[in-house]
Order: sequence, then C-alpha cells, then structure tokens
Amino acid sequence: GESVGLHLPTLSVQEGDNSIINCAYSNSASDYFIWYKQESGKGPQFIIDIRSNMDKRQGQRVTVLLNKTVKHLSLQIAATQPGDSAVYFCAENAKKGYNKLIFGAGTRLAVHP
Amino acid sequence: EAQVTQNPRYLITVTGKKLTVTCSQNMNHEYMSWYRQDPGLGLRQIYYSMNVEVTDKGDVPEGYKVSRKEKRNFPLILESPSPNQTSLYFCASSLSNGGDYEQYFGPGTRLTVT
Repeated sequence: GESVGLHLPTLSVQEGDNSIINCAYSNSASDYFIWYKQESGKGPQFIIDIRSNMDKRQGQRVTVLLNKTVKHLSLQIAATQPGDSAVYFCAENAKKGYNKLIFGAGTRLAVHP
Repeated sequence: EAQVTQNPRYLITVTGKKLTVTCSQNMNHEYMSWYRQDPGLGLRQIYYSMNVEVTDKGDVPEGYKVSRKEKRNFPLILESPSPNQTSLYFCASSLSNGGDYEQYFGPGTRLTVT
C-alpha cells in the first residue's frame, strides 16, 4: 500500500489500553476541527469533529478534547484494538464559511497484541 | 454505495507528458477538492471547487489545473509533469462549503514522474 508515514511520530500501545493522540493547531480563528484516520492504501476517513464552541465531544470509543487557550486538540481512543492501527490526522478549518482544511502531519498509532 | 472514485490508482510517467487524474463522486456534493500527500507534510490542498464552473487555488496550485464542468467530476490536470509532482493524490468531496461538513476522500492516486 501507499506509504504515508515514513517520518511520522509513532504511538505504540497494547491492545486494550487507552490511546491519546495529540495535535497542536495553528490558527486561533479556526472554528471547526476534525480527526481523520488513514489506513494503509486508503484515503483519510472521518472519525469525529468538534466546533470551537465546545471543549469535548464523544463518539463511539473516541473522545475529542479541544483546548483553545493553548490551541491543542486531542483524540482519545478507549480500549484500543488492532483495527485502530493507522495514521491519524487532525485538521482545522482555517477559513470560516469555507471548507478550507489545514491538516497536521499525522501520528502513527501501532497497536500491539 | 456513496463514494469518491479516482483513476488511475497508480501512474508512472515521464517529465513533460501531460496527464489527467479523474475524480468522480456520486453523492451530489457541491464542494470538491484535490490534495497531495507527502511524507511528513500531511495533506496539502491543491485546488478546490465550490460548485460547477467555480474553482479556486489551494495552498500548492503551481503546476496543476482543474475543471468543474459537471457537478460529479473534478479532474486534476498536469500539463507538464515534473519529478517534484511525484506524490500521493487525493480527491475529496463534501455536501457544501459551509465549513462544517465532513469531507469524503477517494482511495488515492500514486503518481511517479521520472
């Protein structure tokens, strides 16, 4: 498959543990944030989003936290499974009213049995 | 099945030989976009289109052209490819350009320019 993360930071976790992936965003005016998951050989897939008027949002096994004071976003995955192994990208909407996403460089999550 | 398709998935070409990568979506989405993905740089937007006949430059448009003659199609054109355009390309679409709509990505096109 296509190699998208030759030089990415890697988070290694044991199956069943919780994972936390962090992201620093650049624009204090960004009003919408998304986490994407990219498996080898595939395009990015939406996981969860959050608007700037919230500081926490929960999905199925995933939680996104937003700290606007320090421009920090995190993705928490509960009970990490081997199928969670992928590269994870945060993205911020840099232009209000437009779907103008700026992506972070990504973090590789490696889940070990 | 709702999806974004790209063709070809893999392409090896030589410098200067014009090529087109097609992108098509079946979700009646207004907004479409092209990204390139390079190791350590994440995804960078090349061009985007807010609707038919409405296109605009993204962050790295040099060396690329696009067109949006139909709502479902958004081809990426490289008139004279160069080796620095070797990359992994993704097309994406979303319902609107309102800023809070999920973007659906195609499977990617791996382009190598020698």
